[in-house]
Amino acid sequence: DAKTTQPTSMDCAEGRAANLPCNHSTISGNEYVYWYRQIHSQGPQYIIHGLKNNETNEMASLIITEDRKSSTLILPHATLRDTAVYYCIVRVAGNAGGTSYGKLTFGQGTILTVHP
Amino acid sequence: NAGVTQTPKFQVLKTGQSMTLQCAQDMNHNSMYWYRQDPGMGLRLIYYSASEGTTDKGEVPNGYNVSRLNKREFSLRLESAAPSQTSVYFCASSPGSSEQFFGPGTRLTVL
Repeated sequence: DAKTTQPTSMDCAEGRAANLPCNHSTISGNEYVYWYRQIHSQGPQYIIHGLKNNETNEMASLIITEDRKSSTLILPHATLRDTAVYYCIVRVAGNAGGTSYGKLTFGQGTILTVHP
Repeated sequence: NAGVTQTPKFQVLKTGQSMTLQCAQDMNHNSMYWYRQDPGMGLRLIYYSASEGTTDKGEVPNGYNVSRLNKREFSLRLESAAPSQTSVYFCASSPGSSEQFFGPGTRLTVL
C-alpha cells in the first residue's frame, strides 16, 4: 500500500472550514484514499473514501487531485467535537476466498484542534 | 445494534500471565481485525480474518494468537504476556472492502 504524508498538527476556528491535506505520490491506479478520525481514547471512525472522483457525504468532502498524488479532506463547518486525530490511508482492497477485505495501515495522522 | 463490542475494557496482567480479549459484532460482517495502538502512535494490525474460518497475520503478530470462533466473534490471545504488549487493543469489522467499524478498545497493562 502507498505511503502517505500528513502535517503533524493543524488548528481551525469553530464554524470555519477545516482543510486537511494528504500527500500520496506513490499511489497506484487501484488504490483508494480513505479518511478516518480518532477522537481521544475512542476507536477510529470512518469518514469518507474515494478512488478518482471527489466525494461528499454528511460528514465531509474529499477532493482528490487529477493525478491522484494528493487529496484534501474538508470539514465544511468545524465544531469543537471535530477535534481529533485524522488519518489518511491509501490501500488496495483484497480478496480471500471470495470475500473482500481491506487491511488498513495507519500512520501518525494529523492532530486537528478546533478552537472556540 | 451494539456494533462492535470488546471485553474487558481494562486489564492489568503480570509478566507471563495469559489472557484472551474478546470481540463480537452484530452487523453480520464477514471480515474482522485486531489492532494495537501504543501511546502517540497509529494503529498497527496484529491479525485479521477475511471470512469465517480463515485468519492471517498482520504487521505485528508475534506473541499473539487468534480464533475466529464464528462469524460474530474474533478473539485475541496472549499466551505469555510481556511488558512490550502494554497497549490499547482495538477490534474492528467490515462487510467487505469498504469502511471498518471499530470497537471501544481494551486497555491492557502488563507489569
